[in-house]
Amino acid sequence: NAGVTQTPKFRVLKTGQSMTLLCAQDMNHEYMYWYRQDPGMGLRLIHYSVGEGTTAKGEVPDGYNVSRLKKQNFLLGLESAAPSQTSVYFCASRQGVSYNEQFFGPGTRLTVL
Amino acid sequence: SQQGEEDPQALSIQEGENATMNCSYKTSINNLQWYRQNSGRGLVHLILIRSNEREKHSGRLRVTLDTSKKSSSLLITASRAADTASYFCATHGQAGTALIFGKGTTLSVSS
Repeated sequence: NAGVTQTPKFRVLKTGQSMTLLCAQDMNHEYMYWYRQDPGMGLRLIHYSVGEGTTAKGEVPDGYNVSRLKKQNFLLGLESAAPSQTSVYFCASRQGVSYNEQFFGPGTRLTVL
Repeated sequence: SQQGEEDPQALSIQEGENATMNCSYKTSINNLQWYRQNSGRGLVHLILIRSNEREKHSGRLRVTLDTSKKSSSLLITASRAADTASYFCATHGQAGTALIFGKGTTLSVSS
């Protein structure tokens, strides 16, 4: 099992460009999450999903959109990137409501110039 | 808003010493978890303690929880250089579906 994978690993964008980050998990987990990690800030929740076809806003959702069309994939989109979105993005998954441990991907380092 | 706050922000010790990190949180919780993050990597789950538990052990890890003080501590005994990492506490609210993370403690263990 690959666990949680993220594509791409690194990306540099110019202000105003758009991109999609892909998260995939092969553990048949129900819940999936997108976080961003900035120096000294810990992890902050952007959006999450409690099942295929569902999404919900987290603590810092502005400027991001998400989709969960397939259970194994959770996509994070930036429609018009801004320098404030320079960060490391982590995806995580969790088996379900009765299971509390989250499994994290390796992260995507995004720089917006 | 950040739920957990770890203390200290940074900790440097020698191999063989014990490392203690503390976490305080604001609202009632269902459980509290500790995660480790090695430099440039994703987070890895270490241990979970439920709100009705006071202490839990896993190998060289010992976690305590004091819900009256809304605080937890993580003790790593006999530290090794490989324990060098950032450690985060994260809380699950009573009805929460997502974890809320603290800002982390960076632990450096020198040989």
